[in-house]
Amino acid sequence: AQKVTQAQTEISVVEKEDVTLDCVYETRDTTYYLFWYKQPPSGELVFLIRRNSFDEQNEISGRYSWNFQKSTSSFNFTITASQVVDSAVYFCALSEETSGTYKYIFGTGTRLKVLA
Amino acid sequence: DAGITQSPRHKVTETGTPVTLRCHQTENHRYMYWYRQDPGHGLRLIHYSYGVKDTDKGEVSDGYSVSRSKTEDFLLTLESATSSQTSVYFCAISRPGMRNEQFFGPGTRLTVL
Repeated sequence: AQKVTQAQTEISVVEKEDVTLDCVYETRDTTYYLFWYKQPPSGELVFLIRRNSFDEQNEISGRYSWNFQKSTSSFNFTITASQVVDSAVYFCALSEETSGTYKYIFGTGTRLKVLA
Repeated sequence: DAGITQSPRHKVTETGTPVTLRCHQTENHRYMYWYRQDPGHGLRLIHYSYGVKDTDKGEVSDGYSVSRSKTEDFLLTLESATSSQTSVYFCAISRPGMRNEQFFGPGTRLTVL
């Protein structure tokens, strides 16, 4: 069965520190998609990145980077030089196709607090 | 912006009353989803739809029903609300043909007293 584990419930860092959010997933499919979403204090869910199972290249977008490793079933998210505006809950998610439809499983989220 | 709106945005109701939440999209996406978000549980799928009149259950569907009579609207109904259904409800659409990304509405905060 699908499962997404975000073992870190809450992380606190001081501004400008680097921080890595962990995501471990379980799936039996060979084709799947992984996502990260940000939920700031205002409550909306903001899409950050998508990665498919055939693309293990790491990705960098500004201060954000993602490390996808199929060998360890992990899709970790690193924020470099964190800022107070990065304070949010971050969700990792997994999507598979089942009988022609797509369903998504979310982790329980990691709350990141960046202190000034 | 995926053009998703939810109504109402906030609702307080009493145990035993029926409640309907509406999700409306403007971009003609085939797939629509309803989730609930609760502390310690993340987002859990309630029901989803893969077309008009085509719906299926998610992992926490008990006590909920859905309907989709038009592409743009996906309704979530609590037939008889209970306090355990107090939650934040999110609607989402996905774009399987476009990188399989999923986008969310602004959420509805429901309180059942």
